[in-house]
Amino acid sequence: DIQMTQSPSSLSASVGDRVTITCRASQSISSYLNWYQQKPGKAPKLLIYAASSLQSGVPSRFSGSGSGTDFTLTISSLQPEDFATYYCQQSYSTPDSTFGPGTKVDIK
Amino acid sequence: EVQLVESGGGLVKPGGSLRLSCAASGFTFSSYSMNWVRQAPGKGLEWVSSISSSSSYIYYADSVKGRFTISRDNAKNSLYLQMNSLRAEDTAVYYCAREWVDYYDSSGYYYFDYWGQGTLVTVSS
Repeated sequence: DIQMTQSPSSLSASVGDRVTITCRASQSISSYLNWYQQKPGKAPKLLIYAASSLQSGVPSRFSGSGSGTDFTLTISSLQPEDFATYYCQQSYSTPDSTFGPGTKVDIK
Repeated sequence: EVQLVESGGGLVKPGGSLRLSCAASGFTFSSYSMNWVRQAPGKGLEWVSSISSSSSYIYYADSVKGRFTISRDNAKNSLYLQMNSLRAEDTAVYYCAREWVDYYDSSGYYYFDYWGQGTLVTVSS
């Protein structure tokens, strides 16, 4: 099974900050990596697929990069609506995809 | 507008059964693979099961294999999850999610592009 880890598990940031979240796979997954945002009590929302492709309708302040085992989600200028938990997901072993444990972004 | 609406969650005793439903609208349901993903209280996301558009291919996570059954009725635009022999560790919010795949460079990139609002299943005596 492919294991996913994320760092940090949580972070505090201010509006306007640049935020970077890292996701690491236990083996190479090429670019088969997705990012989701989840707000409390809500369903996850797709942000990035194939490591760096921005989902339609998602603000351009979100970007993804990486390949192989190491990936990054960057929010270039944090907005109030971006405070949420972010999950990475590997789709290399679809349908048996696995999610990372999540990174909670809250207000400093 | 794509909509996925889950129902059927509730409180059930260990060893009991429950059937979840997901009503789809706003897209051609019969053209998409569908999935169930769950989230235990305060925990992360766990993929549970997948079914192809025509039900030809069905997959389960090891944690539910032999106890859960996924199915769909394309005529009714509905997805189902029959859950038997429920355990306390099955307590979670269950989401249905539409699967999409983008093909480029001879590779298929899978992701869940639409999710329902979830239905809570609580397994407790």
